[in-house]
Parts: sequence; C-alpha cells; structure tokens
Amino acid sequence: NAGVTQTPKFRILKIGQSMTLQCAQDMNHNYMYWYRQDPGMGLKLIYYSVGAGITDKGEVPNGYNVSRSTTEDFPLRLELAAPSQTSVYFCASSHRDRGSEKLFFGSGTQLSVL
Amino acid sequence: GESVGLHLPTLSVQEGDNSIINCAYSNSASDYFIWYKQESGKGPQFIIDIRSNMDKRQGQRVTVLLNKTVKHLSLQIAATQPGDSAVYFCAENNSGTYKYIFGTGTRLKVLA
Repeated sequence: NAGVTQTPKFRILKIGQSMTLQCAQDMNHNYMYWYRQDPGMGLKLIYYSVGAGITDKGEVPNGYNVSRSTTEDFPLRLELAAPSQTSVYFCASSHRDRGSEKLFFGSGTQLSVL
Repeated sequence: GESVGLHLPTLSVQEGDNSIINCAYSNSASDYFIWYKQESGKGPQFIIDIRSNMDKRQGQRVTVLLNKTVKHLSLQIAATQPGDSAVYFCAENNSGTYKYIFGTGTRLKVLA
C-alpha cells in the first residue's frame, strides 16, 4: 500500500492563479481531510469528507474548494491564490474503526503564493 | 518542509536518556488522543494513541500518560535515539465529531 499520496510536493503560484492539489489513498478509507500547517502553528482543517459525494467545511475553508467523486481521491482546489494561502498542505485519511480514529497523512505540498 | 516549526519550544536530550514531551489539551469532551511525530519535509506519522477510559498506554519505547483532571497528556520516549529527532505534537478528538484539534508541537533534539 502506498498510503496517502499527495502531488505536487512543491509549487509556486502567482497571486490570482489557480491550482489543484491532488490527494489519493489506497487504504479504502471513508474519511478524508485537508489541513494546512503554518509555521509554529497546529494543523488547521480546511475541508473534510465522510465518503464519496459528501464534503463539508472545516475551520478555514475560505478560498478553497473540494470534491470527492471517488473513495480514493480528494482534490483541493485554490481558485484565486492569495499570499495568505502560502502554507504546507496535508491530506489525511482515516477509517474510524471502533476504538481508533487515527489519521494517516500524506507527505505534504509546500505552496508559496508570490 | 523546513519552514514548519521554526519557533517551536525545543527539548534537547542526550542520546540514551529518556524524553518527556508534554501537551495540554483544550476540550474536556475530548475522548481520544494521538501523538504524532513529524520529521522535516514529511507528513505527521502516528506514534501512539489513547482513549479517555485509560490513563496510560505503552508502545515500543513510548508511553503515553493521560491526566483528565488537569487535561494533560505526555509522551515518554525511552532511551532516546538520534532518529527520534523531530517535531512531536498531540491531537485530541471527540469521537462524536470529525474534528481533531492539534497542538503546535515540540521540537525534540537528540544530542550525541
């Protein structure tokens, strides 16, 4: 199993550009999440999904969109990139088995908006 | 990558000593807690978890202690090794929700 795979690893965007961060998991997890991690801060939830076709906002959804057409994939879309979106983005998934809801994380995408 | 955790509290320990990393959690309704290790340029990696009906759980070289009275969680690493150098952070969850609250982390430096 590859686990949670994120692409790209690094990206530089100009203000106003758009891009999609890709995330795929091969563990058949029903729950998937997007977090951002700013220096010296904890992870903040952007969006999450409890299954294909179902998504919901987290703590910091503004400026982002998601879709979940399959169990495996959960892309994150930035429509009009702003400097405030410079961050490291992590995708995660979980199965929420009885007694354990641990999150499995991808290796992250470091995004700079200039 | 390297930009994560620039201003985190740092714990420096000698190789072979035990490390104790602390975390204060915020929500008294949280009933599930996880410790993660994050190495530079990588995603967080699961270390150990504990539910609120326990106060101690042991893994391989790691122990998590939970004190619900003061909302405190600690991670003990026995015989700390150079490979343990990383940022460690805790996460809390109320199993009735999908929201995990993450701490800001502690950087562990292992001195040779």
